[in-house]
Amino acid sequence: DIQMTQSPSSLSASVGDRVTITCRASQSISTYLNWYQQKPGKAPKFLIYAASSLQTGVPSRFSGSGSGTHFTLTISSLQPEDFATYYCQQSYSTLDSFGQGTKLEIK
Amino acid sequence: QVQLVQSGAEEKKPGASVKFSCRASGYTFTNYGVIWVRQAPGQGLEWIGWISGYNGNAISAPKFQGRVSLTTDTSTSTAYMELRSLISDDTAVYYCARKAFYHFGSGNYGAFDYWGQGTLVTVSS
Repeated sequence: DIQMTQSPSSLSASVGDRVTITCRASQSISTYLNWYQQKPGKAPKFLIYAASSLQTGVPSRFSGSGSGTHFTLTISSLQPEDFATYYCQQSYSTLDSFGQGTKLEIK
Repeated sequence: QVQLVQSGAEEKKPGASVKFSCRASGYTFTNYGVIWVRQAPGQGLEWIGWISGYNGNAISAPKFQGRVSLTTDTSTSTAYMELRSLISDDTAVYYCARKAFYHFGSGNYGAFDYWGQGTLVTVSS
């Protein structure tokens, strides 16, 4: 099984800040990496696929990068609606798997 | 518009079984797969399994093998998941989602683009 590890587990930031979340895979997954945003009590929302491609409708302040085992999600200028938990997910294996999540909180 | 509508909350005793439904609309069900994910209270997302909407082929995570059954009814565009021998640790919100493949560069990338609203299962004696 491919293990996905995110860091940090939680992060405090202010509106307007630039933040970066890291996701590492236990083996190379090329760019088969997706990102999701989840707000309390809601289903996850699909943000990014293929490590760097934004899903339709996702604001351009979100960006993703990386390949192999190291990936990042960057939010260039935090907005109030961005405070949520973010998950990476690999689709390289037939057994998909998620990172443990990064909770982005207001400072 | 694409929608996935899940069945309602359940309360079960340890050792019982539960069967979830996930009714899809707004797209051709047989062109996509459906995945199941759960989230225990205060915890992260855990992938349970995937089933093809086309031919019913399914795969589940090793920890659920032997305890989970994934099925579909293409006549009603509905996916089902049954989880047996419930224990308290199975208390969670269970989500279904559509698995789509996005073409980018030279690859096709699977992602979960539409989600159901979730079903809370509480396992308690």
